[in-house]
Amino acid sequence: GAVVSQHPSRVICKSGTSVKIECRSLDFQATTMFWYRQFPKQSLMLMATSNEGSKATYEQGVEKDKFLINHASLTLSTLTVTSAHPEDSSFYICSARDSGTGEGYGYTFGSGTRLTVV
Amino acid sequence: QKEVEQNSGPLSVPEGAIASLNCTYSDRGSQSFFWYRQYSGKSPELIMSIYSNGDKEDGRFTAQLNKASQYVSLLIRDSQPSDSATYLCAVNHLYNFNKFYFGSGTKLNVKP
Repeated sequence: GAVVSQHPSRVICKSGTSVKIECRSLDFQATTMFWYRQFPKQSLMLMATSNEGSKATYEQGVEKDKFLINHASLTLSTLTVTSAHPEDSSFYICSARDSGTGEGYGYTFGSGTRLTVV
Repeated sequence: QKEVEQNSGPLSVPEGAIASLNCTYSDRGSQSFFWYRQYSGKSPELIMSIYSNGDKEDGRFTAQLNKASQYVSLLIRDSQPSDSATYLCAVNHLYNFNKFYFGSGTKLNVKP
């Protein structure tokens, strides 16, 4: 099945610094990837849709200047949390779907990145 | 109103019993429905997808869809302690099939 690799799995950073999270589709091409955030005991909240070769689409309430998304190739999307603050501490997860499958097929999730801002 | 609603639980069932997880959604035009399992501290993994009214079985799992009632459920037969996790219901967006809405999840505890 489709495999999505996400790195790093855990990161601790100081307040005010930036952190980059990578999401790679290992054995398929993904024109679209999604970035989610999950706070403890809450569900996944979609942050943005990452589109290969074009600007990301952000959900309402998500600051695009704070959460920079780059989808430069069909197998790699990155999320950069800029000027991180403790309230940005969360579990960040990407997901992708094999573009060769039909619409509506389930997405595969990366393993997630636990970000802690101190 | 949330797009996808689930009872947060926890739902406790004894080992070997049938666990029944329920989900309702608001967009009547949604076409695709998914159940994901998420262990604590891990990312979700897809268990089942269903697109047509009725039942779909895969091993110990059965997904049930009723579009008229805007209701989708997941039955887990012969529940095992390893099934203890949070189960997330996901529904695709009415106008963008590539975009999903997730429910808040139901925590399932299977007691040995």
